[in-house]
Amino acid sequence: EVQLVESGGGLVQPGGSQRLSCAASGFTFKSYWMNWVRQAPGKGLEWVANIKQDGSTKQYVDSVKGRFTISRDNAENSLYLQMNSLSAEDTAVYYCVRLYSGGFDIWGQGAMVTVSS
Amino acid sequence: DIVMTQSPVSLPVTPGEPASISCRSSQSLLHSNGNNYLDWYLQKPGQSPQLLIYLGSIRASGVPDRFSGSESGTDFTLKISRVEAEDVGVYYCMQGLQTPITFGQGTRLEIK
Repeated sequence: EVQLVESGGGLVQPGGSQRLSCAASGFTFKSYWMNWVRQAPGKGLEWVANIKQDGSTKQYVDSVKGRFTISRDNAENSLYLQMNSLSAEDTAVYYCVRLYSGGFDIWGQGAMVTVSS
Repeated sequence: DIVMTQSPVSLPVTPGEPASISCRSSQSLLHSNGNNYLDWYLQKPGQSPQLLIYLGSIRASGVPDRFSGSESGTDFTLKISRVEAEDVGVYYCMQGLQTPITFGQGTRLEIK
């Protein structure tokens, strides 16, 4: 079964850091661009970052540039999001998402990150 | 950034009746390969979003044929030929032509 499973969510203090992981299974992970998309409570979807198959290209939404880092380990079939200098505005469910033929075809169940003191 | 504007915000529909959601992009989404990089997603209550339509009009695997997507310049439409109870949720359009990838604000479909 094709699957993405996020982990690493939780409660973090403002200014703190958190690392999200996404374990991929059921497909050839190294062949796909991967993305992180987030959704603040009761709000819409916001694309956060993506990474090319070999990790050579990484792109970010302006609001997280310089604070978040996307990475991947193709040997471990894993995607990561290192989040630093977190603020309340980063509170959201973070989804790991696969890109295929122009569409985000596989989504994880999401990991909740709450930034609060 | 490309701005995606959806309408309506809320859409009450009687089961068996058709429904239509519009999405307008602030710039052309036409790639040099001839495809519009416009997708439609449905987020059912309590679930992760799911892909319905990609490249403007191609139904994703397993999506019922009552869902269809159409394109006209920077105007895109998702149509449901006969709404069923399982279609409730929030529908989003998304442009994937350039980063930052951007979503519409969502359209909430509810059953009358």
